[in-house]
Amino acid sequence: ETGVTQTPRHLVMGMTNKKSLKCEQHLGHNAMYWYKQSAKKPLELMFVYSLEERVENNSVPSRFSPECPNSSHLFLHLHTLQPEDSALYLCASSQDPQGSPYNEQFFGPGTRLTVL
Amino acid sequence: GQNIDQPTEMTATEGAIVQINCTYQTSGFNGLFWYQQHAGEAPTFLSYNVLDGLEEKGRFSSFLSRSKGYSYLLLKELQMKDSASYLCAVTSLGGGKLIFGQGTELSVKP
Repeated sequence: ETGVTQTPRHLVMGMTNKKSLKCEQHLGHNAMYWYKQSAKKPLELMFVYSLEERVENNSVPSRFSPECPNSSHLFLHLHTLQPEDSALYLCASSQDPQGSPYNEQFFGPGTRLTVL
Repeated sequence: GQNIDQPTEMTATEGAIVQINCTYQTSGFNGLFWYQQHAGEAPTFLSYNVLDGLEEKGRFSSFLSRSKGYSYLLLKELQMKDSASYLCAVTSLGGGKLIFGQGTELSVKP
């Protein structure tokens, strides 16, 4: 148990659907992250939130829309996705994302997304 | 730019020792993490190196050479449960962003 939970664990959606991924951390951390993990590719950082403010957006298409209502919750809203967006979406949290050389991130189990 | 290289796959025998290498080229390198990820599960922290040298933690050790842009993860007395993907990730100065390598898929055979 890493203290970071994600729902749903699996999601199948059509290209015209709208869905949301949810992440919750129970560790009292200040920062939360969304990553995309595709087969045989490195983990790709998508978004970073620090103290509920978005501090990084790594050129992610607008069909992915993050939301961080408080320091414990992070959402990823999905709209008109493409089949190439099928991947494992991982959420992570850490204590201090800025200026700290040691920034261990704790990951959730991920949501396996399939876009038909 | 930033580039991190790891072998894609490795195979080893139960009870043996395996070394997984990671080379990196980054601007403003600060430290290096190793994570373990079992299929369908979250990556979990294994080690962190910021200074040159070897960090030992039970059956796992991690080595860093900053001048060579090189790290390795050493797994001793391999067990079947060590079959997993091992992710190398670096952090840069001024922020905690992690840049990951593609991961090394380790298969431990009886």
